[in-house]
Amino acid sequence: AQSVSQHNHHVILSEAASLELGCNYSYGGTVNLFWYVQYPGQHLQLLLKYFSGDPLVKGIKGFEAEFIKSKFSFNLRKPSVQWSDTAEYFCAVTAGYSSASKIIFGSGTRLSIRP
Amino acid sequence: EAQVTQNPRYLITVTGKKLTVTCSQNMNHEYMSWYRQDPGLGLRQIYYSMNVEVTDKGDVPEGYKVSRKEKRNFPLILESPSPNQTSLYFCASSLSIQNNSPLHFGNGTRLTVT
Repeated sequence: AQSVSQHNHHVILSEAASLELGCNYSYGGTVNLFWYVQYPGQHLQLLLKYFSGDPLVKGIKGFEAEFIKSKFSFNLRKPSVQWSDTAEYFCAVTAGYSSASKIIFGSGTRLSIRP
Repeated sequence: EAQVTQNPRYLITVTGKKLTVTCSQNMNHEYMSWYRQDPGLGLRQIYYSMNVEVTDKGDVPEGYKVSRKEKRNFPLILESPSPNQTSLYFCASSLSIQNNSPLHFGNGTRLTVT
C-alpha cells in the first residue's frame, strides 16, 4: 500500500532562513506528487505538483521541490522564508496508473516563522 | 467564481443525532472526496466518488455515509454521530483523478459531538 511520510512535525525558523521539508513515499511504480499548504484557519491549496519531466518543480510563492526517484523523496524547499509562510504543509501522492482513485496525504509539517 | 462550498462551517451536536454536511462544487468536476483532519494524523480520506452514483470507501469510512445523486453535490451523512467523530472535515473536488488534476478544497466544517 502507498504511504507518505513527513518526518518533521513542527519546524521553527527565523525569517530569511532557508527551508527544507522532507517527504518520502512508498510506492514502487510511477507516482504523481503534490505539496499543499494550509494557512491558519484556511483550507488546503495546491503549492506545486510533479507528474513527469524535470524533477525540479517550481511552485507559487518561491517554493520548489525536487523529485529524487532513487530516494523516493519529494522535499520542499524555499531559499528564504517569510513570516507569511507560517502554515501547515502536506505532501501527497497518487499512483501514476490511469485507474488511480486515491490521494494519500502525509501527516503534515507545521511551519512557524519567527518575525 | 470556481469553488467548493461546504455547509455549515461550524456544528455542535449531541451523540446519536443524525446530521448532514453539504458539499457543492461549481466546476463540473467528476471526482469528489471527503477528508477528516485530526492533529498529528493529517488528512484521512473518508469516502470518495469518481462520478455520479459511483462512491467508494476511503481509509476511515466507519460511521459515515455519502451519496452522489448529482455531479455537483456530495453530502456527508453521520447517521449516529459519536464523540470520536469530532474533527475538522474537508470536502474536495478534482476534474479527474485519472488526469492527475489537483484537488480543490472547501473551507472546512468543524464538527463537535458531545
